[in-house]
Amino acid sequence: NAGVTQTPKFQVLKTGQSMTLQCAQDMNHNSMYWYRQDPGMGLRLIYYSASEGTTDKGEVPNGYNVSRLNKREFSLRLESAAPSQTSVYFCASSELRADQPQHFGDGTRLSIL
Amino acid sequence: AQSVSQHNHHVILSEAASLELGCNYSYGGTVNLFWYVQYPGQHLQLLLKYFSGDPLVKGIKGFEAEFIKSKFSFNLRKPSVQWSDTAEYFCAVNAGYQKVTFGTGTKLQVIP
Repeated sequence: NAGVTQTPKFQVLKTGQSMTLQCAQDMNHNSMYWYRQDPGMGLRLIYYSASEGTTDKGEVPNGYNVSRLNKREFSLRLESAAPSQTSVYFCASSELRADQPQHFGDGTRLSIL
Repeated sequence: AQSVSQHNHHVILSEAASLELGCNYSYGGTVNLFWYVQYPGQHLQLLLKYFSGDPLVKGIKGFEAEFIKSKFSFNLRKPSVQWSDTAEYFCAVNAGYQKVTFGTGTKLQVIP
């Protein structure tokens, strides 16, 4: 049972380059999320998708776009990477209920030079 | 808007010591509360959760947490920590808007 799968695990970009982080879940969850984790700041929500066909901004959406391709997949795109976007990115999924926990992928460590 | 505060940023304990990590949230309505653990180099995993009923919740690996509504608190406890408990611990709240808010985390270092 794979759970939440993120690719790639590591990536180094130059300022101004673009890239897409991929996320897929096999738990038939309705909701999916993208977070960034920075030292001393915990997890901050970038975007989320409560259900297939919908996406909404989280706490720190600037510089990012998302696509909910289908129920399984939720991608995060950096159109023009900046050093401030150096971070660890986590994708998560959950049932569409507030009392249900989130299930996290292993993360993508992204460095922008 | 909901918010979560974890006041202890870094805790160092010797093995067999007791642990209590603080978590306070701000939201006036019904909340669902979670503690997650992140072992070094790994993703977050659920330790325990509270959504209703008995305010004392037991989780995996001997952890428990107590929900005190009057204090807006959900503190995590363990009577006797082990070296393998070295990790970062996150408190989180979901007030039902499909957006979970995480605290900034507490790094626990257990010394053998």
